[in-house]
Amino acid sequence: EPEVTQTPSHQVTQMGQEVILRCVPISNHLYFYWYRQILGQKVEFLVSFYNNEISEKSEIFDDQFSVERPDGSNFTLKIRSTKLEDSAMYFCASSERFMDEQYFGPGTRLTVT
Amino acid sequence: AQSVTQLGSHVSVSEGALVLLRCNYSSSVPPYLFWYVQYPNQGLQLLLKYTSAATLVKGINGFEAEFKKSETSFHLTKPSAHMSDAAEYFCAVTWSGTYKYIFGTGTRLKVLA
Repeated sequence: EPEVTQTPSHQVTQMGQEVILRCVPISNHLYFYWYRQILGQKVEFLVSFYNNEISEKSEIFDDQFSVERPDGSNFTLKIRSTKLEDSAMYFCASSERFMDEQYFGPGTRLTVT
Repeated sequence: AQSVTQLGSHVSVSEGALVLLRCNYSSSVPPYLFWYVQYPNQGLQLLLKYTSAATLVKGINGFEAEFKKSETSFHLTKPSAHMSDAAEYFCAVTWSGTYKYIFGTGTRLKVLA
């Protein structure tokens, strides 16, 4: 069964460093998303991406964040200068069509020290 | 504003007993509702979804949920718990015109032998 994959599973970085989280969505899906879950808190929406542009973003997704689909298979989330409060589990998701169910990857645990 | 509340962050049931996980939503527009399950070290897996068709929705692994507009609820049930059902369960809401899902805080289900 097709699935969303994410790498790495765990990333440790120092405050102020740039980090790129990678995702491979399901191959025929056209809509892509990033969510995050700070330990003990809710899963929160960050951004959605369609047709090579951001279609919606939350107030969390500020100028420190960017997303890109660098080729036909990968979808990345970049955090330019990480802060301690960026420590969280980051989930990538994809859907085939708008309003279809979203399929989630296993997550990348980001630890900022 | 749309939101989801899951009552009970931890629920314990005996093997073979009824599972009932509660989800109440708040939405000013017709909602689309989902239940996801997360097993340890895995991503969010879709259990079932409500998208304005039948109010009783059947999902995978014997789970079902009933949409009750009058009670603004979408509780998840399973007649007989298995040990393998032990996981964290998330309720989520979305609506027409947005890409994002809003998640509840999750309920961790423990199944006792």
